[in-house]
Amino acid sequence: EVQLLESGGGLVQPGGSLRLSCAASGFTFSSYGMSWVRQAPGKGLEWVSTISGSGGDTHYADSVKGRFTISRDNSKNTLYLQMNSLRAEDTAVYHCAKDRGGSGDDWGQGTLVTVSS
Amino acid sequence: DIQMTQSPSTLSASVGDRVTITCRASQSISSWLAWYQQKPGKAPKLLIYEASTLHSGVPSRFSGSGSGTEFTLTISSLQPDDFATYYCQQYNSYPRTFGQGTKVEIK
Repeated sequence: EVQLLESGGGLVQPGGSLRLSCAASGFTFSSYGMSWVRQAPGKGLEWVSTISGSGGDTHYADSVKGRFTISRDNSKNTLYLQMNSLRAEDTAVYHCAKDRGGSGDDWGQGTLVTVSS
Repeated sequence: DIQMTQSPSTLSASVGDRVTITCRASQSISSWLAWYQQKPGKAPKLLIYEASTLHSGVPSRFSGSGSGTEFTLTISSLQPDDFATYYCQQYNSYPRTFGQGTKVEIK
């Protein structure tokens, strides 16, 4: 059974940093691309970033480019999202998702990031 | 960027109804479209990928069709468990983009 468990969310001041983690199990982690998708309170889904299975190819939404960095450690079956220069509009639940050729076929429950002073 | 527009935004229906949700892309995405179901406080669940392929374990009352710029998600006979919000997503190109969602409510 595929399991994805996010952690690392919390309350952070504007301009601050957080690192999210997504621990994966139940599949061959290195064989799959992985994505982060966020959902602001009461809003729809927003794609944030995707990384290839090897980690060599990454993509970002314009809204986070230059501030967020996606990475992975295939030896630890863990996906990361380093978030710097956080803004109020980054407040959201952040989900990690296993990539199925572009669609997300398994999702974690998410971790809440709140950016507020 | 490719914009995805869903209609309607809200849909009121009864158990047993046939329900159709439309998703339009601002440019051709071939068949690179997924549909998700999301319930409050829960993670999205993949229903359909490549516009019309049913994901494993998804009931056969769900179906998808379309290609290019116009797509539909159909629920042939709405069940109590189907009241939720549905999103389309294109993965033809980056940035991947979602529709704004369609909330299916009880009539």
